[in-house]
Amino acid sequence: KAGVTQTPRYLIKTRGQQVTLSCSPISGHRSVSWYQQTPGQGLQFLFEYFSETQRNKGNFPGRFSGRQFSNSRSEMNVSTLELGDSALYLCASSLMTPNTGELFFGEGSRLTVL
Amino acid sequence: GENVEQHPSTLSVQEGDSAVIKCTYSDSASNYFPWYKQELGKGPQLIIDIRSNVGEKKDQRIAVTLNKTAKHFSLHITETQPEDSAVYFCPQVGRYSTLTFGKGTMLLVSP
Repeated sequence: KAGVTQTPRYLIKTRGQQVTLSCSPISGHRSVSWYQQTPGQGLQFLFEYFSETQRNKGNFPGRFSGRQFSNSRSEMNVSTLELGDSALYLCASSLMTPNTGELFFGEGSRLTVL
Repeated sequence: GENVEQHPSTLSVQEGDSAVIKCTYSDSASNYFPWYKQELGKGPQLIIDIRSNVGEKKDQRIAVTLNKTAKHFSLHITETQPEDSAVYFCPQVGRYSTLTFGKGTMLLVSP
């Protein structure tokens, strides 16, 4: 069974640009979450989608947005990039059954903003 | 602030030794306690978890113990190996399985 796939794995952008990151969850998983990981702030929750609906959102500015498609694939977008947006962006998928709280993480998309 | 405190922040052991990482939580309603391992260049991976109706759970060299009275749970790794070197997290689990991570514990296992 294929794991969570994130693309691209690495990208470099300049301040003011925008970026779109993609996540394909494990087959059958309908919940997709996004996290940002930086050396200073650690792992922080961005948002969670289930059946194309955003159910939960972390404390990030409106420049960070996301969406989920009918096939459960998800994208996140960051507009007007700032230097501080340089981070590893991790996507995680879940079955969301009552018996498990396990999230399956991808290897991440490493964004560098110059 | 953090609802889960994790100690120590760094742990260095010799190969073959045991390692123990402890997490203290504040929410009495918590009923699910996972441990995630993040290796360099990879995303976190669930390695073991425990529910509040169980006091201990083992899986080969790793185990988790839960003390509900004291509100803490611990990760125990026996016979450590270099491949156990990683950052370990005990995130708080919120609505829709949203994870709130602390700063984690960096475990270094020297050959």
